Amino acid sequence: TAGITQAPTSQILAAGRSMTLRCTQDMRHNAMYWYRQDLGLGLRLIHYSNTAGTTGKGEVPDGYSVSRANTDDFPLTLASAVPSQTSVYFCASSGTGVTEAFFGQGTRLTVV
Amino acid sequence: SQQGEEDPQALSIQEGENATMNCSYKTSINNLQWYRQNSGRGLVHLILIRSNEREKHSGRLRVTLDTSKKSSSLLITASRAADTASYFCATVTDTGRRALTFGSGTRLQVQP
Repeated sequence: TAGITQAPTSQILAAGRSMTLRCTQDMRHNAMYWYRQDLGLGLRLIHYSNTAGTTGKGEVPDGYSVSRANTDDFPLTLASAVPSQTSVYFCASSGTGVTEAFFGQGTRLTVV
Repeated sequence: SQQGEEDPQALSIQEGENATMNCSYKTSINNLQWYRQNSGRGLVHLILIRSNEREKHSGRLRVTLDTSKKSSSLLITASRAADTASYFCATVTDTGRRALTFGSGTRLQVQP
């Protein structure tokens, strides 16, 4: 079972460029999440979706957008990247009730 | 702001010793979860404790929850070098956003 798949694994992006981080799950989970992890700050929630067709803002949503057209996919878009968006990005999913969350392996993004 | 804060930030012990990590949170919760992260990898769920529970065990893991003090602890008994990782607590609140909010983590080093 693949679980959660993120792509790309890593990326160097020029400031001002746009990019979409991809996330796909095969567990038919209703809820999906995007987090960023910075040294010493743990994981911070960017956006989330409790079910297909709905999304919500997390702690640090500015500069990011998401869509949830179907159950399996939850892409994260940076419209115009800035250096402060350099981070490791994790996608996760969970079933109803936010019990155990399953995480992807992360995307390491460097904005230069 | 982060809901959970772990203490200590870093912990170094010898193999065979017990490791205790603490987590404090700010608002009332539905459940509290502990996750493990090996360097450069995604997070893996360890254990969940609900707000009406006080203690849970899973193998060498013991979790306690004190809702009056808004705190939890994770005890790893008879630690092994393979337990070396970062450990995070995460909470799901009773109201509002239905997503996991993470603390900043404890880095555990188990010396062989």
